[in-house]
Order: sequence, then structure tokens, then C-alpha cells
Amino acid sequence: DIQMTQSPSSVSASVGDRVTITCQASQGISSWLAWYQQKPGKAPKLLIYAASSLQSGVPSRFSGSGSGTDFTLTISSLQPEDFATYYCQQANSFPYSFGQGTKLEIK
Amino acid sequence: QLQLQESGPGLVKPSETLSLTCTVSGGSISSSTYYWGWIRQPPGKGLEWIGSIFYLGSTYYNPSLESRVTISVDTSKNQFSLKLSSVTAADTAVYYCARHRGVTPYFDYWGQGTLVTVSS
Repeated sequence: DIQMTQSPSSVSASVGDRVTITCQASQGISSWLAWYQQKPGKAPKLLIYAASSLQSGVPSRFSGSGSGTDFTLTISSLQPEDFATYYCQQANSFPYSFGQGTKLEIK
Repeated sequence: QLQLQESGPGLVKPSETLSLTCTVSGGSISSSTYYWGWIRQPPGKGLEWIGSIFYLGSTYYNPSLESRVTISVDTSKNQFSLKLSSVTAADTAVYYCARHRGVTPYFDYWGQGTLVTVSS
């Protein structure tokens, strides 16, 4: 099974900051990676798929990059509504697996 | 606008079978484009993919749960269902149904989720 490891587990930032979250796969997954945002009590929301493709309706301040085993999610200028937990997910092979999550908190 | 809604008991006894249904509205489950999946999240923890189904009935499951899981589809009702047998407290979680395009599981539409607690 492919293990997905996110770092950091939590991060504090301020509105307007640039934030980067990383995700590492235990083996190569090409670009088969998605990023989701989850707010408390809500379902996850797809932000990025295929490592760098922005899902329709997602603000352009979100971007993704990487391939192989190392990936990043960048939020260019944090907005108040961006404080949430973020998950990566590999879509390369069974069983499809998620990272443990990165909680983005207000500083 | 596509909507997914989970339904089923919120409390299941240990060793019994958990049964949930996802009703799809605003679109047809009988689309050749999409698969339909189940994902769960234990309280305060991360996400775990359970399995997915195509409207013609082909399924694929997480090997860690495969011996206990059955996912089925009812196209006449625009629904798909999850059964998880021999549950324990470790199966307590919020269960989500979701859609993904093709075999590649990027989940673009989700239900709101339903908490299932396993307890006697």
C-alpha cells in the first residue's frame, strides 16, 4: 500500500500569508494526486486534482505542484475562509489513500 | 446541481451489519462517466476510502475491508448502498458517499456525511 505523509501536521498563519503544505508518497505516483479542504462538520471539498489542475470554482490562490513522490499545495494569500484542514490523496493505485491531514490555524 | 445524501441507522451493535444508502439527485447514477464511492472518517481522524461502484455493478474495494464490505447500486432509485458486516467500535465513523469521474478517484461531489456509532 502507498503511504501518504503530510507536513506539517499543523501550521499557524495570518490572513494574507503565503502557505505551503507538502505531501510525500511512499512510492512514485506520477501526478495521480488530489488535494481536499475540510472544514469542521463538513465534507471534504476537492481543490486540486492531477497534482496541479484547479477544480472548477476553486479560487486561483490555490495551486498544486509536484510529481513522483513529492507534492505541494500552496495558498498564495490566505483568506479567512481558508482556515481548515487539508488532505492529500493518491489516486495511482489500490487502495486509494489519504494523508493524515494538515490543520491550518489562525495565528 | 448534483446532490448526494446518506441515510441509515446512526447506531449499530457490535458484530452486526452496518447498512447505509446514498441517494443521488440532480443527476443520473447511470452515467458512463462516473463512479460512486464510500469514504469514512473516524472522529478526529483522517479519511479512509472504502470502495467504489459503477452503475453496471462493477465494484472495487479497499483490501483492508474487502472481506466485510458490499457495495451495490439500484439505478431505478438512483441510489447506491454500503453494507459492512461484523462491525466493531473501530468502525465508528462519519461515512460519506461521493462521486468520482471514471476509474480515477478524484471525489468531486460529496454527501454531507452521516455518523455511525458502533456500541451495544
